[in-house]
Order: sequence, then structure tokens, then C-alpha cells
Amino acid sequence: AQKVTQAQTEISVVEKEDVTLDCVYETRDTTYYLFWYKQPPSGELVFLIRRNSFDEQNEISGRYSWNFQKSTSSFNFTITASQVVDSAVYFCALGPNDYKLSFGAGTTVTVRA
Amino acid sequence: EAQVTQNPRYLITVTGKKLTVTCSQNMNHEYMSWYRQDPGLGLRQIYYSMNVEVTDKGDVPEGYKVSRKEKRNFPLILESPSPNQTSLYFCASSLGTGVNTDTQYFGPGTRLTVL
Repeated sequence: AQKVTQAQTEISVVEKEDVTLDCVYETRDTTYYLFWYKQPPSGELVFLIRRNSFDEQNEISGRYSWNFQKSTSSFNFTITASQVVDSAVYFCALGPNDYKLSFGAGTTVTVRA
Repeated sequence: EAQVTQNPRYLITVTGKKLTVTCSQNMNHEYMSWYRQDPGLGLRQIYYSMNVEVTDKGDVPEGYKVSRKEKRNFPLILESPSPNQTSLYFCASSLGTGVNTDTQYFGPGTRLTVL
């Protein structure tokens, strides 16, 4: 069984603050994939990142960065210098492949101007 | 343009009236999935398909049927909808190669209300 826990239901920050979203996962698979998706108010799901279990390198993409730690089963996501456009629901997901995913409940991020 | 399309985008129906939500992708992907999104629960997988005529249950398949007669299409069928199937539904497709740059493409979503 797979499980993803996003303990933070809602986070509210002021523009330019950094915000970190926690994601803790459980799986018995030795090979697995982790994902982050963004769901803006318009409702579509936007792919942000994919990581496989063999690649623990941290990733940075512009203001976004991800910290993958197998030792703590965590795949946390940080938005640096947040902007109003970052306001969205963010989902962490886990799967043995990319077509059978288990999603966390999501974290709603509100960035206030 | 690579895309996954769903129809209808919005649907209000009544209990027991059979309905079908269509999903189509133009990327020649082998893998397709259906998810439902409910507040506080995230997305949960209903069914997935690994190729034509190959489908399998996800985590919440009760009350749903699917078919995969063509590679590009993966319709979701609710034979007798009930109010607890009121939800936001997403179709997705992917190559399933395992390559890190590969990703799952999601459709725009279908908001279904069952009265």
C-alpha cells in the first residue's frame, strides 16, 4: 500500500516570503516515483517535477526547489520569494510508475500581496 | 498541440441516469487513467489502462466502468450515478517509460453533480 501525507492543509504567506510544503510518503516498493503538481484556481493540474527513488539529488527550477530524502521518506517543496501567482493547491504524489499514482490531500497556498 | 481532452466539462444529472464522460489524447500514449478529486482527499485513482483492451481497477472503482477500444480514447461510464459520485474527474495519459523527463498529462477536468 502506498500513502502520501501532506500535513499542512493551508499555508498563507505575504509576497516574497519563502514557503515550504511538506510531503511524507510510505511505500514498500524499492522503485518508485514522486511527483509534485500545482492546481491553480482555474482547476487544471500542472506538472512540476518527477523524481525516481534512485535519484536523491535536490532539484532547483527557478524559484522552486525540491528536497528528496529517502532516510526520512520526505519530498519537500520550497517556493522562494513567493508571488501572488503561486497561489494554488499543491499536490504531492507517489507511484510505482507514472500512471498509478497515490496523491496527498493537497496543501492550499495563499500568497497575499 | 499535445493534449488530453474531456467532455463534457460540466454535467448536472439525476440519480440513476447513465452517463459517459469521454477522454481522448493525441500523443499516442499507451497508459491512461481516471481520477476523482474530492475536498480533503486529493485525487484518487478510479481505473487505469495499460493499452487497448487492458484495464485495471484503481483505488475507488466501485460504481464506475471503463473501456479502451482504441488507444486514444478512454471513456468513463457511470451506469447508475449516485450523489456520492458528485466530484471533479480528471483523465490522464502518459508514455509510462520510466524516464525522468516523462510525465503524466491531465485533462482539464469534468465537474459532475448528481442530484
